[in-house]
Amino acid sequence: EDQVTQSPEALRLQEGESSSLNCSYTVSGLRGLFWYRQDPGKGPEFLFTLYSAGEEKEKERLKATLTKKESFLHITAPKPEDSATYLCAVLSTDSWGKLQFGAGTQVVVTP
Amino acid sequence: DAGVTQSPTHLIKTRGQHVTLRCSPISGHKSVSWYQQVLGQGPQFIFQYYEKEERGRGNFPDRFSARQFPNYSSELNVNALLLGDSALYLCASSHLVSQASYEQYFGPGTRLTVT
Repeated sequence: EDQVTQSPEALRLQEGESSSLNCSYTVSGLRGLFWYRQDPGKGPEFLFTLYSAGEEKEKERLKATLTKKESFLHITAPKPEDSATYLCAVLSTDSWGKLQFGAGTQVVVTP
Repeated sequence: DAGVTQSPTHLIKTRGQHVTLRCSPISGHKSVSWYQQVLGQGPQFIFQYYEKEERGRGNFPDRFSARQFPNYSSELNVNALLLGDSALYLCASSHLVSQASYEQYFGPGTRLTVT
């Protein structure tokens, strides 16, 4: 069965203090790995899709990378507005639409 | 362009009642997926519909059902509500035409509280 584990569960950063979030996954065949940002009480907001090992995507202060067993979301010089829960999900080649999510990493950035 | 819309925003129901949640996908998207998210956890997959046919079902009891209409909007129905059904119900749409279109875009969710 597909599994996604995110670490750490929570992360508290000072503004400007860069860090990385980890997403480890087990899947029979990877169709894609997805990163989302979720604010409290709202739906997840799409950030990135990664399809193959070695791939990297960037958006503002965020950079996502992918290996055969894990993905990292790097936050460079974060600002308070980057505070959110970051969710990782995998889509197996057995499915067209069943995203398997991790529990998320709650990030708090203080001024 | 309008994103995924869901209605209602909030709902309070009593145990044993049934509920219908509605979702309109992004214009041009033909696939709709439903997820349940309880506090502190990631979303759990319930159903996927594509071109009005069920294409995937998660580990949820038969009390949960869904359908997709010719305009690609969708309804999620839950019968005989239990306290444990209290959660944020999320709808996501995707294009599903090519590899680049497996991305799912989520709506704001419906917060269901069962008392």
